[in-house]
Amino acid sequence: GAGVSQSPSNKVTEKGKDVELRCDPISGHTALYWYRQSLGQGLEFLIYFQGNSAPDKSGLPSDRFSAERTGGSVSTLTIQRTQQEDSAVYLCASSTPISGGAVGTDTQYFGPGTRLTVL
Amino acid sequence: QKEVEQNSGPLSVPEGAIASLNCTYSDRGSQSFFWYRQYSGKSPELIMFIYSNGDKEDGRFTAQLNKASQYVSLLIRDSQPSDSATYLCAVTGPNSGYALNFGKGTSLLVTP
Repeated sequence: GAGVSQSPSNKVTEKGKDVELRCDPISGHTALYWYRQSLGQGLEFLIYFQGNSAPDKSGLPSDRFSAERTGGSVSTLTIQRTQQEDSAVYLCASSTPISGGAVGTDTQYFGPGTRLTVL
Repeated sequence: QKEVEQNSGPLSVPEGAIASLNCTYSDRGSQSFFWYRQYSGKSPELIMFIYSNGDKEDGRFTAQLNKASQYVSLLIRDSQPSDSATYLCAVTGPNSGYALNFGKGTSLLVTP
């Protein structure tokens, strides 16, 4: 079946502009995660959705970042008034708990990412 | 911030040898442990996951978990040049809200 898809694959924007990044998870996956990976850095957790709700927004770096998920499927990450330090690859992952598995055992599958460059 | 530590490498091994990649974590409440492979410019690809102490084998890959020592490793047998990539250790559990807490990765180079 289809994997996680993200769009656009690349986005170049000017400092101060708003951007929207889209994630389409694997069909049927209930959980959706956003991460970002800056050059030479590890993956940094941003936000997690279970269904349409976001119980964990602790990773969002500032109030310029927001995300929503509708219909338990597609998610959009919005960055307002972009700054150069926002330049990174933004990765989305989706998962669904393994049947009968313990909480926290679900496996996350990543999309190809959106490379954001803020000039 | 709960820490996941990996040696950045590069770890260089000859083709056909065993590559050993190590990871330590600080959160004793961690429950699930994952190894991802990431080729340059690509997104992470899941290799293996392990939940219980001991070894778990899948083809040429073996994951080893020791919760008492807070240590997880990945062995790659019969290493191939195509295994050259960055290997990311990721840990999750109730204290992280089940988001993956990643190490910075170990770069592996398999030389022909």
